[in-house]
Amino acid sequence: DADVTQTPRNRITKTGKRIMLECSQTKGHDRMYWYRQDPGLGLRLIYYSFDVKDINKGEISDGYSVSRQAQAKFSLSLESAIPNQTALYFCATSDPATGANVLTFGAGSRLTVL
Amino acid sequence: AQRVTQPEKLLSVFKGAPVELKCNYSYSGSPELFWYVQYSRQRLQLLLRHISRESIKGFTADLNKGETSFHLKKPFAQEEDSAMYYCALLNAGGTSYGKLTFGQGTILTVHP
Repeated sequence: DADVTQTPRNRITKTGKRIMLECSQTKGHDRMYWYRQDPGLGLRLIYYSFDVKDINKGEISDGYSVSRQAQAKFSLSLESAIPNQTALYFCATSDPATGANVLTFGAGSRLTVL
Repeated sequence: AQRVTQPEKLLSVFKGAPVELKCNYSYSGSPELFWYVQYSRQRLQLLLRHISRESIKGFTADLNKGETSFHLKKPFAQEEDSAMYYCALLNAGGTSYGKLTFGQGTILTVHP
C-alpha cells in the first residue's frame, strides 16, 4: 500500500465547479504539502501544513483552499475551478524529526478544467 | 527570496556519455539542496541531498557556494536514467522553515 494516497487520480470538470482533491498518509508525518506541476514551471507550492492547527499559504495559493482534517489527511479545494488550474497536483509529506527534510510524494492527481 | 533555476528544459545524451544537469540557486543563508527524480509511471522521489555527500545510481552533486550551483553529474549515462529531474532548495530559516522550492525541472533522455 502506498504511504501517500491521492484521490481522485484523474478528474475532468467544468469551469466554475467546486473540486476537492484528497490526500491521506500512513507515514505518521506532521508536515503535509500541496504542489502543482506545470510543464516548464516545475513544482510550485500551493499550501502547506506543519501540523493539524497550522496552515500556510505557498507561492500560488490564490483560487485554492485547504483543510487539515487530521494528521493523516490534507485536502485541497478549488472553490470555482478555472481552465488555468488544469495541472498535475501532488501531495507530499515530510518528517523533520528525522533530520532529513525529505519529501514523500503521492502519485499525483491530474485535473482538467474545461 | 530564494530561487532555483534549472536552465535546461530538455537534455539528450547517448548511452555511455557523461551527463550534467545544471542547477543554480539564490539563497541568502546556508543552503540545503536536493535532487528529486520522476521516472516514467513512478512517483517523484528523492535522488540525493548534498549534506549526505552520497552517490546514488552513479549520480553525484557537489555544492559550489561560490557559483551558487548544485549540478548533478554522472560519468556514463544509462537508458534507465531517462526521467524528469528536479533540483530543490530547503528554506532553512524563519517562519517558512521546512519549505522546499523546486526548479523548473529538466527532462533527461538517454538514447541507446
